[in-house]
Amino acid sequence: DQQVKQNSPSLSVQEGRISILNCDYTNSMFDYFLWYKKYPAEGPTFLISISSIKDKNEDGRFTVFLNKSAKHLSLHIVPSQPGDSAVYFCAARGNAGGTSYGKLTFGQGTILTVHP
Amino acid sequence: KAGVTQTPRYLIKTRGQQVTLSCSPISGHRSVSWYQQTPGQGLQFLFEYFSETQRNKGNFPGRFSGRQFSNSRSEMNVSTLELGDSALYLCASSTTYKGDYTFGSGTRLTVV
Repeated sequence: DQQVKQNSPSLSVQEGRISILNCDYTNSMFDYFLWYKKYPAEGPTFLISISSIKDKNEDGRFTVFLNKSAKHLSLHIVPSQPGDSAVYFCAARGNAGGTSYGKLTFGQGTILTVHP
Repeated sequence: KAGVTQTPRYLIKTRGQQVTLSCSPISGHRSVSWYQQTPGQGLQFLFEYFSETQRNKGNFPGRFSGRQFSNSRSEMNVSTLELGDSALYLCASSTTYKGDYTFGSGTRLTVV
């Protein structure tokens, strides 16, 4: 039962262009969503998050969009840089009182490659 | 500011043995969570501790256990190791319940 899905295993973009990474979820009890970036042999690094009461959150080159009715979130990176090449994971946390509260459910990850 | 420290970085164990992994969270972080990363299953939640109490547990067999000490340092133990336990074990700490966890570099466990 994969409650958080990243359907694109990989994405390749040109430097300077926009990277869009997508994530779908099925559990309507999720109320907080996060994106992490991971390099080989390192732990995931927190990038940006969004609460379910918002539909957009920006932090520099990174913007996360949340569409609750579609149970879909996306991460936009503009402009993309070669140093952004990594594996990107979306994650979700359940709301208070639910069995998913306090733990993160991760997607399978998308490998982003930004070409110079 | 020191990050999350996990020891050891690499470990090779034989099937049937047990193993203990250690995690030192960022100073002031009272929540510590453990995750298992494998190529087939991705990142999966093991358990979370706050103030020495386990607050949440994932769907793993009882061979996987953990604990947290009064200084917030945490250990996880896997008994009767199986080949399928080979994975990267990640520890994460946080000050809040939002899930903005800071992860360590992980312990790569290989069971042979």
